[in-house]
Amino acid sequence: ETGVTQTPRHLVMGMTNKKSLKCEQHLGHNAMYWYKQSAKKPLELMFVYSLEERVENNSVPSRFSPECPNSSHLFLHLHTLQPEDSALYLCASSQVGSANNEQFFGPGTRLTVL
Amino acid sequence: QQQVKQSPQSLIVQKGGISIINCAYENTAFDYFPWYQQFPGKGPALLIAIRPDVSEKKEGRFTISFNKSAKQFSLHIMDSQPGDSATYFCAAFVQGSNDYKLSFGAGTTVTVRA
Repeated sequence: ETGVTQTPRHLVMGMTNKKSLKCEQHLGHNAMYWYKQSAKKPLELMFVYSLEERVENNSVPSRFSPECPNSSHLFLHLHTLQPEDSALYLCASSQVGSANNEQFFGPGTRLTVL
Repeated sequence: QQQVKQSPQSLIVQKGGISIINCAYENTAFDYFPWYQQFPGKGPALLIAIRPDVSEKKEGRFTISFNKSAKQFSLHIMDSQPGDSATYFCAAFVQGSNDYKLSFGAGTTVTVRA
């Protein structure tokens, strides 16, 4: 595996379900990100982890709970979601401190909340 | 508040034509401006980037023009090909700070007709 991988690629869940999204980066980066992508809207940054410490939480509802057990793995735990949470959830990684902090994105998880 | 405004929302161009996407920003601290390209079912990928000390950067058929005084920058796709059909995002970033955030535009969907 190379780059940034995400599983599952598609997820359908009811509002009372609990599920988790997984992201893994194989680039040796020291920062990982969760973004929400909705149609015709800018990418919304949700969480940032740098050196496994959460450094950013953009007023995301508590029904989204991130976890970063190590520098290569990032999870997004979901519970009691709302239909408006349906979106593409993108994970990214970067090397903070490099020349341009370029972010490398995974393919995303398409989430549908019924 | 959206820090980077992008237009148009979508455009259609004939094969061989020129696609032009415009972005404007307010924060004069931004000093790195990447463009990302996203194909359906994939995450965004860095296409080309510019720093404000140059007015133009060209890579193959893709050119960024930068106007620092107007706080605007644009992406030109020359000799557009059907394979260029994708969504393009401009972004802005402050390098060398503790701010990890890329501020993204809302995206432009480009369709190149054969």
